[in-house]
Amino acid sequence: EDQVTQSPEALRLQEGESSSLNCSYTVSGLRGLFWYRQDPGKGPEFLFTLYSAGEEKEKERLKATLTKKESFLHITAPKPEDSATYLCACYGGSQGNLIFGKGTKLSVKP
Amino acid sequence: DSGVTQTPKHLITATGQRVTLRCSPRSGDLSVYWYQQSLDQGLQFLIQYYNGEERAKGNILERFSAQQFPDLHSELNLSSLELGDSALYFCASSGGLADWETQYFGPGTRLLVL
Repeated sequence: EDQVTQSPEALRLQEGESSSLNCSYTVSGLRGLFWYRQDPGKGPEFLFTLYSAGEEKEKERLKATLTKKESFLHITAPKPEDSATYLCACYGGSQGNLIFGKGTKLSVKP
Repeated sequence: DSGVTQTPKHLITATGQRVTLRCSPRSGDLSVYWYQQSLDQGLQFLIQYYNGEERAKGNILERFSAQQFPDLHSELNLSSLELGDSALYFCASSGGLADWETQYFGPGTRLLVL
């Protein structure tokens, strides 16, 4: 069964304390892996798309990487405004649609 | 702002009723997707339309249906509503036929069934 698993479920950081979020997947024929940010009660906001193992993308304090089994979202020197739920999603597999993980809820305290 | 609009923002209704959620995709996007997000299930794909035609179906209940109109806006119809249908409903759009294109999400409709 195609699955996307994110860890940890929740992460509390102090401002400036760098860390990484994990997204592991078992999806056959991965066509793309997507990272989104979601604020409470709002729609997911697109961050990155990764298509092949070894690919990396950066945006401000965020950097996403992809291997054949997992993806990491690295957050460098986070700020309180980075607090949100980060969602990972994969396209591929038997279902032919985007499969989302349950997300990592990030809290950054000043 | 993703460019995807959804109306209404909030909807409160009773069990057994029927509601219609509306979505306008980003300018130029031909694909529209509908998702349901509940606290315990996360984001679940419901259905996709491409240029007016149904393209893919996920875990959509028979009580739910959707369509995409010639102007590319889409509607999701939910009927015989149950308490468990209370959730956030999101619409997303992407440019073309390639399924792995980035999907851009709207702000959602929060449905509460009492």
